[in-house]
Amino acid sequence: DAKTTQPNSMESNEEEPVHLPCNHSTISGTDYIHWYRQLPSQGPEYVIHGLTSNVNNRMASLAIAEDRKSSTLILHRATLRDAAVYYCILRDPNFGNEKLTFGTGTRLTIIP
Amino acid sequence: DAGVIQSPRHEVTEMGQEVTLRCKPISGHNSLFWYRQTMMRGLELLIYFNNNVPIDDSGMPEDRFSAKMPNASFSTLKIQPSEPRDSAVYFCASSLVSGVANYGYTFGSGTRLTVV
Repeated sequence: DAKTTQPNSMESNEEEPVHLPCNHSTISGTDYIHWYRQLPSQGPEYVIHGLTSNVNNRMASLAIAEDRKSSTLILHRATLRDAAVYYCILRDPNFGNEKLTFGTGTRLTIIP
Repeated sequence: DAGVIQSPRHEVTEMGQEVTLRCKPISGHNSLFWYRQTMMRGLELLIYFNNNVPIDDSGMPEDRFSAKMPNASFSTLKIQPSEPRDSAVYFCASSLVSGVANYGYTFGSGTRLTVV
């Protein structure tokens, strides 16, 4: 599986935007970029995914670099409930490989 | 939709005892995954099923671990005999897999297992 690199931790002030980076320099042309987050004492939850174009949903936005070697998850206005570990994961569906391999993620702390 | 349902939420057992963890996936999902999470090793995939068939069990630690999916609405993960190093949070997740379409995983709330 192609590897992703994320900062171990980040802090942000409440009600400000948060940009969570992810590097994936060995990404293949068919890898999708997935983001999950894990709130304290809960299972991971799906946030967003994309292939080439930027994506928006009600939770967040995903900005993908033109060369696809990096991406950024954007939380437009962080709240205390966004404090979690955020995982950036590559997944290639074309090989029938349905599994998601989680790395260590970025622990996001929101400062009131 | 009730989501992925795991039971029990907490389990404390003595070393050497058999432990069975249970999972009910979301109705209509055709793939099911068992993960284990510890502080040291993070989230590890143990095994996953597609259409009730085990596809990849390379993450199962050893023969003491076994998983079954007798039908589309139920799966079990069994540890026999249990050891203290099996203490972890075990998550079940399900997903709809259809060709190359990407659908998100939905995780359960997990079972916290403590082996003393």
